[in-house]
Amino acid sequence: DAKTTQPPSMDCAEGRAANLPCNHSTISGNEYVYWYRQIHSQGPQYIIHGLKNNETNEMASLIITEDRKSSTLILPHATLRDTAVYYCIVRLDSSYKLIFGSGTRLLVRP
Amino acid sequence: DVKVTQSSRYLVKRTGEKVFLECVQDMDHENMFWYRQDPGLGLRLIYFSYDVKMKEKGDIPEGYSVSREKKERFSLILESASTNQTSMYLCASSLPTSGDFETQYFGPGTRLLVL
Repeated sequence: DAKTTQPPSMDCAEGRAANLPCNHSTISGNEYVYWYRQIHSQGPQYIIHGLKNNETNEMASLIITEDRKSSTLILPHATLRDTAVYYCIVRLDSSYKLIFGSGTRLLVRP
Repeated sequence: DVKVTQSSRYLVKRTGEKVFLECVQDMDHENMFWYRQDPGLGLRLIYFSYDVKMKEKGDIPEGYSVSREKKERFSLILESASTNQTSMYLCASSLPTSGDFETQYFGPGTRLLVL
């Protein structure tokens, strides 16, 4: 399974965009990039996923580089409730396995 | 909205006790999963079930068993609890798709302390 690398922590001001990077340089052609987050003492929550194209939903945007070796999760207007650990995961489309790494601890400051 | 519920948020048990952790999902999902989460180790898959009465071992099945008698319910059993099974236990479910993504929806977790 491809591995991901994320910074251990980041912070941003409330109302500003939070840009969370992820490196997945060994990703293969049929592996999706997923983002989940985990707010303290809760189960992980799905945010967004993508294969090659950039994606946007009501929660976030996902920008995947053309070579697919890295991606960025964008929370356009971060709120205090977005403080959480964010996990970038790569997964084969035929595999049920999600391999969670250490994630990035995002702190949104008032 | 998908809802995955777990029977307890917090549980304290003694070494050697038999422990049942229950998970219920209300979206008719075929796949259900049990993970444990420990500091520094991330989430690790214990068992997975893709249908009623079907199960597959995950990465760390030792010391655990599972039961899936009904589609909506997936139970994790610690036959004889040990202190190294103190952890946060997370249940998830998903509806398998072909060719596209398969999102796993997680419950709130059960924090188990084995004394």
